Amino acid sequence: DSGVTQTPKHLITATGQRVTLRCSPRSGDLSVYWYQQSLDQGLQFLIQYYNGEERAKGNILERFSAQQFPDLHSELNLSSLELGDSALYFCASRDRRFGYTFGSGTRLTVV
Amino acid sequence: TQLLEQSPQFLSIQEGENLTVYCNSSSVFSSLQWYRQEPGEGPVLLVTVVTGGEVKKLKRLTFQFGDARKDSSLHITAAQPGDTGLYLCAGAGVGSNYKLTFGKGTLLTVNP
Repeated sequence: DSGVTQTPKHLITATGQRVTLRCSPRSGDLSVYWYQQSLDQGLQFLIQYYNGEERAKGNILERFSAQQFPDLHSELNLSSLELGDSALYFCASRDRRFGYTFGSGTRLTVV
Repeated sequence: TQLLEQSPQFLSIQEGENLTVYCNSSSVFSSLQWYRQEPGEGPVLLVTVVTGGEVKKLKRLTFQFGDARKDSSLHITAAQPGDTGLYLCAGAGVGSNYKLTFGKGTLLTVNP
């Protein structure tokens, strides 16, 4: 157990639907990073939050959004899903001493 | 856009052999990290290098950061089947809030 918790582990949904992925960072970490991993693109940075505020954005689609709550857990919302959104979605938290810690990911399959 | 090119993409070797994986970019990174990822799991951090020319050793793994902080290598001595996995390099750009740019990875298979 890395200390970063992601739920659900697997998600199968239809095109056009909306899903929410959840992440709890390691205890004490204020930052959350979301990444998407696909076979052709590898790991791509989506968005970063720090203590509830958005800090950086990567190649995140307008159909995707995220937020970080006062208890520091974060949610990634994916809407109007397309087949190409099928991927592994990881969140990570960062600590100055230990660097990045990734969760086990959510495997999203859009059918 | 910062890109990290990893090579080789696939590597299949016999137990006991040595290997080197390369990570190259035209961009300068403030730090570079190496991760190992197993199927169904997230990447696990192996090492972070921050100083140009830095060499770090982790048992049979040796990591080097290029003098110009644009490239890195991972050398494994006497590979074992337990080393099998996807090896990823990732760079943090200068002033990037530590968001990482990942290479596409090297899938290593060590056969007994």
